[in-house]
Amino acid sequence: GAVVSQHPSWVICKSGTSVKIECRSLDFQATTMFWYRQFPKQSLMLMATSNEGSKATYEQGVEKDKFLINHASLTLSTLTVTSAHPEDSSFYICAWTGLTEAFFGQGTRLTVV
Amino acid sequence: DAKTTQPPSMDCAEGRAANLPCNHSTISGNEYVYWYRQIHSQGPQYIIHGLKNNETNEMASLIITEDRKSSTLILPHATLRDTAVYYCIVRVEGNTNAGKSTFGDGTTLTVKP
Repeated sequence: GAVVSQHPSWVICKSGTSVKIECRSLDFQATTMFWYRQFPKQSLMLMATSNEGSKATYEQGVEKDKFLINHASLTLSTLTVTSAHPEDSSFYICAWTGLTEAFFGQGTRLTVV
Repeated sequence: DAKTTQPPSMDCAEGRAANLPCNHSTISGNEYVYWYRQIHSQGPQYIIHGLKNNETNEMASLIITEDRKSSTLILPHATLRDTAVYYCIVRVEGNTNAGKSTFGDGTTLTVKP
């Protein structure tokens, strides 16, 4: 299957700072990708959909000014958590679409202290 | 996406077959049944998917009932490394929607020695 590389795998930041998470597809190109968030002992929740060359579409309840998504190219998407607070601590996962299946990154564990 | 119902947890003895059920009574004619699993602190991993015929690959088998309202994922010889949360998802196949999945709570499978 396709390889999706997400970086960093974990990060600890101070409250009020911003954190950038990168998601790269290593062996294929995709115009659409998705960002999920997963709190402890909960399922994955879709945050936003981004398309290369256009603005991201955010799910209801997700602040677009707080979670900045940049779909810079067909192989790179970034999620920036701005002015992070402890309640933003979570597991963030990106997913690229294939013709029949989705390929997920390994996830980024964000801890805001 | 149609809603799915899975048991919250299951145990399986190592070396035995693990049979994970999923109910999707409101599935539409063009929706496929997908199975993913998530090992602790990792991104979801694709396992298998199908429309109406039974499917088998190197990881598992998928049995879909004739009315398509339920399915069973079979891991023929479970190992300790198969301990994970297993998600059953129904959605249309396609390049733009493949990654946009609605995750339920899944089934936590624990394989015991």
